[in-house]
Amino acid sequence: DQQVKQNSPSLSVQEGRISILNCDYTNSMFDYFLWYKKYPAEGPTFLISISSIKDKNEDGRFTVFLNKSAKHLSLHIVPSQPGDSAVYFCAATKGLNSGGSNYKLTFGKGTLLTVNP
Amino acid sequence: EAGVTQFPSHSVIEKGQTVTLRCDPISGHDNLYWYRRVMGKEIKFLLHFVKESKQDESGMPNNRFLAERTGGTYSTLKVQPAELEDSGVYFCASSQRLANYNEQFFGPGTRLTVL
Repeated sequence: DQQVKQNSPSLSVQEGRISILNCDYTNSMFDYFLWYKKYPAEGPTFLISISSIKDKNEDGRFTVFLNKSAKHLSLHIVPSQPGDSAVYFCAATKGLNSGGSNYKLTFGKGTLLTVNP
Repeated sequence: EAGVTQFPSHSVIEKGQTVTLRCDPISGHDNLYWYRRVMGKEIKFLLHFVKESKQDESGMPNNRFLAERTGGTYSTLKVQPAELEDSGVYFCASSQRLANYNEQFFGPGTRLTVL
């Protein structure tokens, strides 16, 4: 039973345009959400996160939006650059205040983003 | 500061053989996690150490997998005997204290192929 779902295996956008990556979750106990970026032959690298008490978090070109009622989050990259081409993983966790004990991450399957020059 | 390192980067073994994967976390990180990604699927949690103690083994597939973290430093993950379905990329991650959420830093992974 997959608790974090990324329904788009791939996404292709033009350089300079906006990239929107989507993620849905089913476990209402999750209270912290993260996006990781992964290049081939490397481990995932933390990109941006959001706590369930917020609905938006912005860091430079990257913004994550959280819609708790819909159990949906999205990552916006604007403007997209060729160097952003990678697999993006959505992840969720239960913090200590939500009954979690170790912040283990539950990941989606990832979305391959290709930014064309 | 050195990141999380894993050894080997690749391992190809035959079904029934034994393989040991090693992870060296970032110095000073008490929390160490093992994850696995089977091809085309999500990255799945295997287990979590705090220093040398196993805190959560709920993701370990079966008793063919044995993880250790002697002295609370590096960790090993042994698969014995390996089966075809064990093929995948094994990631190790480490983080500092758990009082607030702390970013998990991932290693490059070990790609295991069981033939």
